[in-house]
Amino acid sequence: ETGVTQTPRHLVMGMTNKKSLKCEQHLGHNAMYWYKQSAKKPLELMFVYNFKEQTENNSVPSRFSPECPNSSHLFLHLHTLQPEDSALYLCASSQAGRAEDTQYFGPGTRLTVL
Amino acid sequence: AQTVTQSQPEMSVQEAETVTLSCTYDTSESDYYLFWYKQPPSRQMILVIRQEAYKQQNATENRFSVNFQKAAKSFSLKISDSQLGDAAMYFCAYRSANSGGSNYKLTFGKGTLLTVNP
Repeated sequence: ETGVTQTPRHLVMGMTNKKSLKCEQHLGHNAMYWYKQSAKKPLELMFVYNFKEQTENNSVPSRFSPECPNSSHLFLHLHTLQPEDSALYLCASSQAGRAEDTQYFGPGTRLTVL
Repeated sequence: AQTVTQSQPEMSVQEAETVTLSCTYDTSESDYYLFWYKQPPSRQMILVIRQEAYKQQNATENRFSVNFQKAAKSFSLKISDSQLGDAAMYFCAYRSANSGGSNYKLTFGKGTLLTVNP
């Protein structure tokens, strides 16, 4: 596979469930990102990992827990979510440190919290 | 903090015609990058075009071109010879070019939904 992949593409979960979103990049990049896309709102940056180290947590509630075991994989662990957390969750990667540092996105996971 | 504004929530264009999507931004920095991303109904966010602020020449990519007006902080996207496959949500985004901190953080506008009529 090429580019940035995300699984699952759709997820429905109850407020008491625990689930995880997975992202994998095949571009040799060193930085990975989680974004939240809600209806009629700009994309919101949630987390940034640079060389596997979390470099930004954009005031995200603790019910979202990221994990970056290596520069190719990024997870978002979810627990006790709220209905307002329903959104499209996008993963992206880039080669941080380069001037052009363009971010490439995955297809997203459509999350519905009941 | 930087902000990106897309004042057109929706636009429509006839197939084969030209359409221009507007984007303005606010920043106190002199060196930065601007991007247009396309998100079709399949949801995959795709990079359309990128502009470096230090370059005066407007970026072009096949049928896509930008009108970058640095003084006016304007970055519009022109789509020529529109095709049905161009129908999508288009996002304008800003990134600082300064090293350190959140220099890799993208700030997005709210998007413009483009409809292409046959």
